[in-house]
Amino acid sequence: RKEVEQDPGPFNVPEGATVAFNCTYSNSASQSFFWYRQDCRKEPKLLMSVYSSGNEDGRFTAQLNRASQYISLLIRDSKLSDSATYLCVVNMWGNKLVFGAGTILRVKS
Amino acid sequence: DAMVIQNPRYQVTQFGKPVTLSCSQTLNHNVMYWYQQKSSQAPKLLFHYYDKDFNNEADTPDNFQSRRPNTSFCFLDIRSPGLGDAAMYLCATSRVVLEPLHFGNGTRLTVT
Repeated sequence: RKEVEQDPGPFNVPEGATVAFNCTYSNSASQSFFWYRQDCRKEPKLLMSVYSSGNEDGRFTAQLNRASQYISLLIRDSKLSDSATYLCVVNMWGNKLVFGAGTILRVKS
Repeated sequence: DAMVIQNPRYQVTQFGKPVTLSCSQTLNHNVMYWYQQKSSQAPKLLFHYYDKDFNNEADTPDNFQSRRPNTSFCFLDIRSPGLGDAAMYLCATSRVVLEPLHFGNGTRLTVT
């Protein structure tokens, strides 16, 4: 089993749609969780940290489910500019941060 | 603006010819990382420094070395690049381990 797994997609959605991605992780003791956005041929950029209580930033909501060992990212009212690859990042044994392979989102007009 | 800067943006080297990639930061972060990212794959951690403490990933090839002469700079040396080493190399920093990573804009390495 991979340490961090994501559905690669692509998720093709119309503008204005709500879309959600999940990311599962293998280490039940993981403490740090993040969502990054990566545009084609660019570096990853931090979208949001994921806290135990869940957190929201505008149209983006992140949640953590420790019992089932996954984090989720919900995007409401999708914009064309949301098209990107979304990477989840989780700390693993030895305190290293491990990336999932990413979920591709394509928002179409 | 405080940032992480990688040079060069694009690097072309010949098979077997040593190459060095550089990274500098003005964030004064304790931790610096090198990740390798191949097309459509996750960034893969090669090594990281916590201050001067070097941490090598078990599956990082011996061909890859790193130096951190001071807080601000970190270098990735590839001693004998192979075709399979062509990738985007990403430098990142964090204040402490497990805090969010701040990435430089990457160096895309081509091996001919």
